Amino acid sequence: QQQVKQSPQSLIVQKGGISIINCAYENTAFDYFPWYQQFPGKGPALLIAIRPDVSEKKEGRFTISFNKSAKQFSLHIMDSQPGDSATYFCAASGNTGTASKLTFGTGTRLQVTL
Amino acid sequence: NAGVTQTPKFQVLKTGQSMTLQCAQDMNHNSMYWYRQDPGMGLRLIYYSASEGTTDKGEVPNGYNVSRLNKREFSLRLESAAPSQTSVYFCASKERWFEATDTQYFGPGTRLTVL
Repeated sequence: QQQVKQSPQSLIVQKGGISIINCAYENTAFDYFPWYQQFPGKGPALLIAIRPDVSEKKEGRFTISFNKSAKQFSLHIMDSQPGDSATYFCAASGNTGTASKLTFGTGTRLQVTL
Repeated sequence: NAGVTQTPKFQVLKTGQSMTLQCAQDMNHNSMYWYRQDPGMGLRLIYYSASEGTTDKGEVPNGYNVSRLNKREFSLRLESAAPSQTSVYFCASKERWFEATDTQYFGPGTRLTVL
């Protein structure tokens, strides 16, 4: 059962454009929503994260928008650059069972063209 | 600090062979995790260790075993490799097992092919 659904699977954006990646979750026990960025041949690295008590968080060109009632959240990359070309994973976490664990979306491969 | 290190970086096995993937972290973290990454599937949790001395199954534990050797090291063993275990394996760690907002730090991965 996939608890975090991510779309699109791939995305091509021109340099300077806005990249938007969407995620939806099912488990209302989730209370922390990070985004990870992964470059080819590397491990994922935390990019930005949000808790459900706020509707938006911005760090530089990266913004998370969060809609608690719809159980959806999205990543916006403003002024997209070729260096942003990577795979992006949304995730969700909550203290269930014996430890806090991350549940990942299936990933979005972003390509920013010149 | 090296962060999270994994060995080997690449491995090719024949069906039925066994091997152990090694992971170590130098951040004094309590929790450690093993994931596998497959195209279109995202990252799926295999096993985790909330703290030294404990291990628990994740989403896809079948065919794997783990050992939390000490606070620094967490190994993943494939006893009898199958082609379905061809994947990229990532180890991760974080400071506190109970704190959702603690960042998980990932290693560089091991690319495993089972023929």
